[in-house]
Amino acid sequence: SQELEQSPQSLIVQEGKNLTINCTSSKTLYGLYWYKQKYGEGLIFLMMLQKGGEEKSHEKITAKLDEKKQQSSLHITASQPSHAGIYLCGADNRGTSGTYKYIFGTGTRLKVLA
Amino acid sequence: DAGVIQSPRHEVTEMGQEVTLRCKPISGHNSLFWYRQTMMRGLELLIYFNNNVPIDDSGMPEDRFSAKMPNASFSTLKIQPSEPRDSAVYFCASSLRLGAPNYGYTFGSGTRLTVV
Repeated sequence: SQELEQSPQSLIVQEGKNLTINCTSSKTLYGLYWYKQKYGEGLIFLMMLQKGGEEKSHEKITAKLDEKKQQSSLHITASQPSHAGIYLCGADNRGTSGTYKYIFGTGTRLKVLA
Repeated sequence: DAGVIQSPRHEVTEMGQEVTLRCKPISGHNSLFWYRQTMMRGLELLIYFNNNVPIDDSGMPEDRFSAKMPNASFSTLKIQPSEPRDSAVYFCASSLRLGAPNYGYTFGSGTRLTVV
């Protein structure tokens, strides 16, 4: 079955610094999603990537899906305390019988020091 | 729209008791998912429904877990009997359709379950 591995597992950065989170899939990705979760709350959808080489931005957050569609990176420019939380990548894992299994990566805990 | 609504937000129960978690998906969404989140295992898909029909329940850990979706606007996840290892945050999510929706899936705020 498909697995998503994120790195790093946790990250502490000073406010204003740039950072990158990676998500690597064991299989080709049909749709790669990025979510943010604040501690103790539900997941908030950030963006979705589907095409190899695709890049999308949302405010100061940019995500890219590589050409082979097996890795995505999330980049935050000039981080702020409001960026703190858990970032999770998710993917549609299509089964051979046509079923879908929406799986998630292990998550990256981000802390931004003011 | 109020989003995906889960209840209760917090539940503390004694081992052996029955626990029922509730979810109201976004109106018009055809797919509903139940997830469990723990520090050790992250987010795990338990079961999902499409058009009120359970499609894949392979993530349900044991027979103690059961889920129903009697209509398009309501779903329950039941644990009977509950055990301390069931303690986790349980999320419900819904989507307009299965398969790579461009807007992602909408998650509820979760139910934090503690079994003592």
